Amino acid sequence: ETGVTQSPTHLIKTRGQQVTLRCSSQSGHNTVSWYQQALGQGPQFIFQYYREEENGRGNFPPRFSGLQFPNYSSELNVNALELDDSALYLCASSLQGETEAFFGQGTRLTVV
Amino acid sequence: GQNIDQPTEMTATEGAIVQINCTYQTSGFNGLFWYQQHAGEAPTFLSYNVLDGLEEKGRFSSFLSRSKGYSYLLLKELQMKDSASYLCAVPTDYGGATNKLIFGTGTLLAVQP
Repeated sequence: ETGVTQSPTHLIKTRGQQVTLRCSSQSGHNTVSWYQQALGQGPQFIFQYYREEENGRGNFPPRFSGLQFPNYSSELNVNALELDDSALYLCASSLQGETEAFFGQGTRLTVV
Repeated sequence: GQNIDQPTEMTATEGAIVQINCTYQTSGFNGLFWYQQHAGEAPTFLSYNVLDGLEEKGRFSSFLSRSKGYSYLLLKELQMKDSASYLCAVPTDYGGATNKLIFGTGTLLAVQP
C-alpha cells in the first residue's frame, strides 16, 4: 500500500451532473497530481496542486477544477459531466522536487 | 511537446525473458519512469532512469539511451503475476517538479504457461 487513499472507489453519475472526488496524500507529502485514465490508455495529467495552489495543468477544460487543503488532501471537481468523462481517476502524492510519486487506488467514474 | 511510443501488446512464456521498448520525444529531459499496472489497480513504481545505461533491480532491469530517445524494461524469469500493463512515462516540460508525468499508452503483457 502507498498510503494514498481515494474516495469513493466507484461512482455512477448521469450526464450533466457534477462530481467531487477526494484524495488523501501520503503523510508528509505536499504535492498532489490528478490523472484521468480511459480504458486501454495511459493516464493523462489533469493538474497538480502544491501549497494549496494549482501548479501546472494538462489539456483539460475549465469544468475540471480542484482544491488542496492545508493538510495536503485534495479534491477533483468535474462539472457538466459528459459520457467521455467515464474513466479511472488517479491521484498521486509526492514531495515537491522528489522523483517518486505514489498513486492511490483510483476512483472508477461511470457517466451514463 | 512530448510524445511517447510503446507497443500495445506483448505475449511471453512463463520463465522466459521479455523486453518492452519505449521511445520518447521531449523538449527537455528530466528522467524516465516505468510503472506496472495490474487491471483495475493503481500504477506502481518500478524504475527511474536519468543517466544512460542499465539499472538492475531483481528480476527487473531498465535501460536508457538519452541520445537515441530510447528506453527498455527487461523482465527476467517471467511469472504469471507479471501479466500487467507496463507504462513508460516522462515528466512534462513545465519545469520544476518531476512528478507531472506524460504516460505512454502502456504495453499489455500476457504471460502464458
